[in-house]
Amino acid sequence: AQKITQTQPGMFVQEKEAVTLDCTYDTSDPSYGLFWYKQPSSGEMIFLIYQGSYDQQNATEGRYSLNFQKARKSANLVISASQLGDSAMYFCAMREGGYSTLTFGKGTMLLVSP
Amino acid sequence: DVKVTQSSRYLVKRTGEKVFLECVQDMDHENMFWYRQDPGLGLRLIYFSYDVKMKEKGDIPEGYSVSREKKERFSLILESASTNQTSMYLCASSFRAEYTEAFFGQGTRLTVV
Repeated sequence: AQKITQTQPGMFVQEKEAVTLDCTYDTSDPSYGLFWYKQPSSGEMIFLIYQGSYDQQNATEGRYSLNFQKARKSANLVISASQLGDSAMYFCAMREGGYSTLTFGKGTMLLVSP
Repeated sequence: DVKVTQSSRYLVKRTGEKVFLECVQDMDHENMFWYRQDPGLGLRLIYFSYDVKMKEKGDIPEGYSVSREKKERFSLILESASTNQTSMYLCASSFRAEYTEAFFGQGTRLTVV
């Protein structure tokens, strides 16, 4: 079974609108961390936001917020006020307690139009 | 700024060649990783290392080996390159603590002809 599922291969949004990118995860470990990365066409992976399994509040970083619903095992990324520069591939990833590795989803391509 | 540097941005190699991909990080990270990225498949872990001379297989280690002789350097070796190893290779590093993010290099696009 996949540990990280991103069901949206592609998303379109207009500039200045908000968009939600979906991510569900599967783990039986009570301690884990969830990460979102952005990969522009240039190829580098840029860390955006982190949510720990014991964090009580949803993580926020500027225009990025993470809608963490633990019971549903979902960790959706919300981008407010989309900008043209947000067009990129977005990856959700999980690190389980006691393991050093990150497991990635297949990604969602976001296109922001003027 | 954390820097993870991969030795080449683009490489073209012939089938059967031995290929070395080098990665260096400057933040004293314990963990280093090699991922392979293919369209529609996301990032898949090839190997990772949690200390000098220590390595663990990831999800797709077949056809690859790694070397970590110094803490800052992690090499990926394709013993005999094949066309199905044409891909984007990403190196990353992180501290051992589970809440810390991984930092990535710029990627090496390898084409095997």
